[in-house]
Amino acid sequence: AQSVTQLGSHVSVSEGALVLLRCNYSSSVPPYLFWYVQYPNQGLQLLLKYTSAATLVKGINGFEAEFKKSETSFHLTKPSAHMSDAAEYFCAVRLNSGGSNYKLTFGKGTLLTVNP
Amino acid sequence: EAQVTQNPRYLITVTGKKLTVTCSQNMNHEYMSWYRQDPGLGLRQIYYSMNVEVTDKGDVPEGYKVSRKEKRNFPLILESPSPNQTSLYFCASSLNWERSNSPLHFGNGTRLTVT
Repeated sequence: AQSVTQLGSHVSVSEGALVLLRCNYSSSVPPYLFWYVQYPNQGLQLLLKYTSAATLVKGINGFEAEFKKSETSFHLTKPSAHMSDAAEYFCAVRLNSGGSNYKLTFGKGTLLTVNP
Repeated sequence: EAQVTQNPRYLITVTGKKLTVTCSQNMNHEYMSWYRQDPGLGLRQIYYSMNVEVTDKGDVPEGYKVSRKEKRNFPLILESPSPNQTSLYFCASSLNWERSNSPLHFGNGTRLTVT
């Protein structure tokens, strides 16, 4: 079975500070990993995805994530937070569940607050 | 503009009154899915559809129905809504879900309150 754990339901940073949102997964086979962002009153949109081509993945809005197999982690980072980054962030893992669904499992989300 | 459109955005109803939440995508996507989002629980899949006339249950299908008569539409039907179905609902689609790197595109959500 696969699962996703996001450490910290709420992260608060100052504008200009480093953003680090943690995601750990459990999977018996190499997974495909995604980060989605949800702005208030909107649906989720894709930030970046890992599909085994490169362990460091760059996404939109200056975010990037590094896949570390030994740590089963896929943490999301951004060097300098901007006020517009305030949103909820979801890590998701996908693998072939054995059926046709190729199930995508979401973490419970991390709410990022950026203080001026 | 490529998008997934859900209607309505907000809906308040009473227990037992049948309702339908519509979802339409204009990207010719094969795969469509419904999720519900609840505080502290993240997103949970209700139903999905791999293509026209092909639907299957997700993790929390009880109390819901879906249909996929056309490629672009994937309505979510609550035959007899109950208060525990109060939630934020998202429709999502993907071009070809069997491709591992094919992402989901989400609608803006429908906030349903059942009293």
